[in-house]
Amino acid sequence: DIQMTQSPSSLSASVGDRVTITCRASQDIRDYLAWFQQQPGKAPKPLIYAASRLQSGVPSKFSGSGSGTDFTLTINSLQPEDFATYYCQQYQSFPWTFGQGTKVEIK
Amino acid sequence: QVQLVQSGPEVKRPGASVKVSCKASGYTFTNFGISWVRQAPGQGLEWMGWISVYNDNTNYAEKFQGRVTMTTDTSTNTAFMELRSLRSDDTAVYYCARGGDADHWGQGTLVTVSS
Repeated sequence: DIQMTQSPSSLSASVGDRVTITCRASQDIRDYLAWFQQQPGKAPKPLIYAASRLQSGVPSKFSGSGSGTDFTLTINSLQPEDFATYYCQQYQSFPWTFGQGTKVEIK
Repeated sequence: QVQLVQSGPEVKRPGASVKVSCKASGYTFTNFGISWVRQAPGQGLEWMGWISVYNDNTNYAEKFQGRVTMTTDTSTNTAFMELRSLRSDDTAVYYCARGGDADHWGQGTLVTVSS
């Protein structure tokens, strides 16, 4: 199985900050990587697919990059609604696997 | 617009089975597979498996092999996930999601397993 490791597990940031979350795959997954945002008690919201492509309706303050084994999610100008938990997921080979999540909290 | 609407919450005894449905609308059902993902209380997302709606091919996480069955009904555009021999640690919210990149999600179904 491909292991997905996110870092950090949590971070504190202020409104207006830029934050970067890293996701590392245990083997090459090309660009078969998605990012999700989850608010407490809600279903995950898709943000990015194919490592860098924004899902429809997702603001351009979110961006993804990377290929192979190392990926990043960047959020520019953090707003109150962006404080949430973020997950990466690989869908290159079965079983598809998620990272453990990164909780973005208000400083 | 694309929608995935799941069945309501369930309470089950240990050892029982549960079958969760996921009704799709707003797109051609057979063009996308359906993934099932669960989330135990306070925990992260766990991928359970995937079914091709086109040909009913399935791929299950090893952890659930032998206990889970994923099916679809193309006459009603509905996907199903049945989990058997329930244990207390199967208590979770179960989600369906469309396609490999999971671009649309159901609202989630809480399954509580308790004696």
